[in-house]
Amino acid sequence: SYELTQPPSVSVSPGQTARITCSGDALPKKYAYWYQQKSGQAPVLVIYEDRKGPSGIPERFSGSSSGTMATLTISGAQVEDEADYYCYSTDSSGNHRVFGGGTKLTVL
Amino acid sequence: EVQLVESGGGLVQPGGSLRLSCAASGFTFSSYWMSWVRQAPGKGLEWVANIKQDGSEKYYVDSVKGRFTISRDNAKNSLYLQMNSLRAEDTAVYYCARERIAVTGAQNYFDSWGQGTLVTVSS
Repeated sequence: SYELTQPPSVSVSPGQTARITCSGDALPKKYAYWYQQKSGQAPVLVIYEDRKGPSGIPERFSGSSSGTMATLTISGAQVEDEADYYCYSTDSSGNHRVFGGGTKLTVL
Repeated sequence: EVQLVESGGGLVQPGGSLRLSCAASGFTFSSYWMSWVRQAPGKGLEWVANIKQDGSEKYYVDSVKGRFTISRDNAKNSLYLQMNSLRAEDTAVYYCARERIAVTGAQNYFDSWGQGTLVTVSS
């Protein structure tokens, strides 16, 4: 079955840049998406189609993708950005929907 | 404003059944694929099932095939998940999510989520 791999945790100080990676064999052909989930809350889409930001998402959130790796970048991370972040994509057929294992971002 | 409100969760014994509902508002429900996504306690997100706009196509993750059934009632703007033969490993928060089609048309993603309903399978 198709898998997306993320680091379990990333830690930065406030104001620093946080980068969270997601690797998957189909990413050269399929978009990556990123969801933020704060404790006890539903996931929120923060990046779609590799690099697009939904309305209402701060501009410090950006995305990129190259080869088999997608990256979520939070420029000038703030304490309120502490959350779990999940990448999402599909296999090459587009039918198998998969989430990465999630990355816990700590900002302190 | 898009709203998705799940209900129907609770405590059920192993082998039992439960039916989840999701009430949608703020958008044309019949125009969208819809999904159920779950999250076991302390674990990551797992897509469970989805259904096409008219209900003609349904897909499931392997672990629930033959036990769960997704359905919808466009007249009531509602999505359902019938869960039978429940197991301890089905314990999770179940989210209802709206799907959008990527610009290429070759991939769907989730753009709106409900707050979830907790299903606990335990004796």
